[in-house]
Amino acid sequence: NAGVTQTPKFQVLKTGQSMTLQCAQDMNHEYMSWYRQDPGMGLRLIHYSVGAGITDQGEVPNGYNVSRSTTEDFPLRLLSAAPSQTSVYFCASSYRLRGPGELFFGEGSRLTVL
Amino acid sequence: KNEVEQSPQNLTAQEGEFITINCSYSVGISALHWLQQHPGGGIVSLFMLSSGKKKHGRLIATINIQEKHSSLHITASHPRDSAVYICAVRPAGSARQLTFGSGTQLTVLP
Repeated sequence: NAGVTQTPKFQVLKTGQSMTLQCAQDMNHEYMSWYRQDPGMGLRLIHYSVGAGITDQGEVPNGYNVSRSTTEDFPLRLLSAAPSQTSVYFCASSYRLRGPGELFFGEGSRLTVL
Repeated sequence: KNEVEQSPQNLTAQEGEFITINCSYSVGISALHWLQQHPGGGIVSLFMLSSGKKKHGRLIATINIQEKHSSLHITASHPRDSAVYICAVRPAGSARQLTFGSGTQLTVLP
């Protein structure tokens, strides 16, 4: 099993550009989520999904879109990047449907918006 | 005010020392997680607990639900334990989301 695969690892964007961070897991997990990690702050939940076709907003959803067309994939889209979105992004998945159980994280994506 | 507070923020220890990292939270919870973030950035789950105590190798996690407090202990610390340790809670009223502490940076010197 590859676990949680997250790409790209690094990305530099200009303000206003769009991009998609990819996240895939091969553990048949129902729960998938995206977090951002900023210096001095804890991980903050952007969006999450409890199954294919079901997504919901987390603590900091503005500026981000997600979709969950399959159990395996949960991409995060930035439609018009802003410097405030410079951060490290983590995708995580969990088996348990009713709330996150043990979490499995991707390796992270470092995004810089100029 | 952050709902999850960790202490200390930074900790330096000598190899072999017994280490304690604390996590206090302000809301009722259904579970608490301890995570480890390696210097390269990867995050792994160490423990998920809702009561009592769990042990894995040299790591021990305890939780006191009444006092809203959890501790992570590392016995016989080693330089490879150097990492950021993160506490996260699952609020009782928000079972699908976690609230994270800002982490404790641990450095173990040889």
